[in-house]
Amino acid sequence: AQKVTQAQTEISVVEKEDVTLDCVYETRDTTYYLFWYKQPPSGELVFLIRRNSFDEQNEISGRYSWNFQKSTSSFNFTITASQVVDSAVYFCALSERDFGNEKLTFGTGTRLTIIP
Amino acid sequence: GAVVSQHPSRVICKSGTSVKIECRSLDFQATTMFWYRQFPKKSLMLMATSNEGSKATYEQGVEKDKFLINHASLTLSTLTVTSAHPEDSSFYICSARLVELGYTFGSGTRLTVV
Repeated sequence: AQKVTQAQTEISVVEKEDVTLDCVYETRDTTYYLFWYKQPPSGELVFLIRRNSFDEQNEISGRYSWNFQKSTSSFNFTITASQVVDSAVYFCALSERDFGNEKLTFGTGTRLTIIP
Repeated sequence: GAVVSQHPSRVICKSGTSVKIECRSLDFQATTMFWYRQFPKKSLMLMATSNEGSKATYEQGVEKDKFLINHASLTLSTLTVTSAHPEDSSFYICSARLVELGYTFGSGTRLTVV
């Protein structure tokens, strides 16, 4: 069974500070995908990144960066110079095949509040 | 980009009635769609996988007769909450699988049963 753990339930930082959201996963598969999604108060899920299990390169996209470490089964997400618009719930998710059926398992989410 | 349109965004219904939620892929064909449920301040839980032209696959603990899923075409999947009760009140989100991005999600439906 696959499992995604986001230990930080809620985080609050002052605007312009950097913040890292942690994600630890468990899987028996060697081939899998990891995702991060943003869910603003309106409810829709905004795709941020997908990473496959064979690509451990860190990714940077503007103020966002991701650190994938297979050795520790972690896929952490860092926002630099945070802004109020970054306030949302962030979900880490894992996709693998379970008995031939594809499943996307979400972590419990981290509620990020940026204080102006 | 690939868009999934979900309707309605909000619905209020009386206990005992049925509610249908539609999920349409607007510019691509979706052979597989997924239905999730999200309780307030909780994570998304997969309810079922909807396959075009065949029966849906339900996750353990999800009542098939209460949550009817139909995927009659490559662009439309529907979730019908039958004989709704207040405990069915929740946020329901559909999703379709994409080759490039993995998954794309509908904007969600907030169901309130009174």
